[in-house]
Amino acid sequence: NAGVMQNPRHLVRRRGQEARLRCSPMKGHSHVYWYRQLPEEGLKFMVYLQKENIIDESGMPKERFSAEFPKEGPSILRIQQVVRGDSAAYFCASSNRDRQETQYFGPGTRLLVL
Amino acid sequence: SQQGEEDPQALSIQEGENATMNCSYKTSINNLQWYRQNSGRGLVHLILIRSNEREKHSGRLRVTLDTSKKSSSLLITASRAADTASYFCATDLHTGGGNKLTFGTGTQLKVEL
Repeated sequence: NAGVMQNPRHLVRRRGQEARLRCSPMKGHSHVYWYRQLPEEGLKFMVYLQKENIIDESGMPKERFSAEFPKEGPSILRIQQVVRGDSAAYFCASSNRDRQETQYFGPGTRLLVL
Repeated sequence: SQQGEEDPQALSIQEGENATMNCSYKTSINNLQWYRQNSGRGLVHLILIRSNEREKHSGRLRVTLDTSKKSSSLLITASRAADTASYFCATDLHTGGGNKLTFGTGTQLKVEL
């Protein structure tokens, strides 16, 4: 039973480029959460999605960041025109129902912006 | 202090000793969870304690919750070198849909042989 999968594990981008981070939730899970972890800090909530719907994006920066979770395929976190401050680890978590207390985390994608 | 703030920031102990980490939070919660993160890896869920519970055990882990003081503690007994990791508490504020977890900055535990 595969856990939450994220790819790529490491991503290097130059300033101004686009970064696409993918998350495949655990089998049977239709709820996805994205978190960002800056160096030496805890995780910060970004967005919560269900299939084809954004439920809560209160933690997403207003510009350059977007997320989707299509009916088919992985959830995508997209960062346009990356800046050095976007360098961080981005974690995805999934659960199989709303209000399920335990979230299962993926290994993360470490984004480095040069 | 921020919601879910751990104390101490770093802890170094000898193998076999007990390790205690504390977490304080500011607002009412539905539950509080502890996670472990090995260096450069993802988070592993350790234990969840609900707001109406006071103590919970899982193997060598013991978690307490004091809602009147808005604090929780994680005790790892008979520590092992493999317990070396960062430990985070996360609170579920139950605001709106979903379980938006709020994490603290973590306690870095080092267990030396």
